[in-house]
Amino acid sequence: GAVVSQHPSRVICKSGTSVKIECRSLDFQATTMFWYRQFPKQSLMLMATSNEGSKATYEQGVEKDKFLINHASLTLSTLTVTSAHPEDSSFYICSASPSNQPQHFGDGTRLSIL
Amino acid sequence: GDSVTQMEGPVTLSEEAFLTINCTYTATGYPSLFWYVQYPGEGLQLLLKATKADDKGSNKGFEATYRKETTSFHLEKGSVQVSDSAVYFCALSGQGGSEKLVFGKGTKLTVNP
Repeated sequence: GAVVSQHPSRVICKSGTSVKIECRSLDFQATTMFWYRQFPKQSLMLMATSNEGSKATYEQGVEKDKFLINHASLTLSTLTVTSAHPEDSSFYICSASPSNQPQHFGDGTRLSIL
Repeated sequence: GDSVTQMEGPVTLSEEAFLTINCTYTATGYPSLFWYVQYPGEGLQLLLKATKADDKGSNKGFEATYRKETTSFHLEKGSVQVSDSAVYFCALSGQGGSEKLVFGKGTKLTVNP
C-alpha cells in the first residue's frame, strides 16, 4: 500500500531556531500533499496544501512567512517552521495520496520549543 | 462550508462491549466519508471508507454505513478489544479522498480488560 514517511519524529530545540520537517511519498508520486497541525486532545487543523512546482495554498489564519512549504519534487514536501517559539510547539502531520485514493498519513513530528 | 460533527468523548468500555461512535456531516455535493484511527504518539491510519450513499465500509471488525438521508456515518464494532483503545476521527473529502480532509474533533476510546 501507499506509504508516507515523515522525518524527524521528534524535535526539541531552543526558541528562535528554524526547524525543517520532511514528508516523503515512498512508493507513489504526489503532486499534492497536505500539512496538518494537531493541538493536544484536539482534532487536526489543515495548515496548507503543498503543490508540486508551485506555491502552497495556506488556510486562513496560517502565517505563510512563519510556516514555509516547499514541494520541489513529486515525492517530497518540506515544512519549515521559521524562528520557532514555544507557541509553535505542536504535533505536525503530513498526508498524501495516489490519485483518487484516500489520504495516507505520516507518523507525525512532535515539535517542542523551549 | 463542509463540516463533521462527531460524538464527544471520552468513551470507556469493557472488553467485548458494543461500540458506537456517532458522526454526522454537512457537505455540498457527494463527499467521500472516512474513519481514521490514531494510536498514542502516532499518525493517522485509515480504518475504513465509503464513497457513495448506502456503501458500507468495514475493516478489523469495525463497520460504518454512508447514510445520505440522515447525513451520517456512525462507526460500530460488535466486540471491542483492549487493542482498540485509540482516538477515532470521522472525516469527509471529495474525489475519493485525494482532496483535503475535513475532520471531526475525534473521540478517545479506552477499552478496559
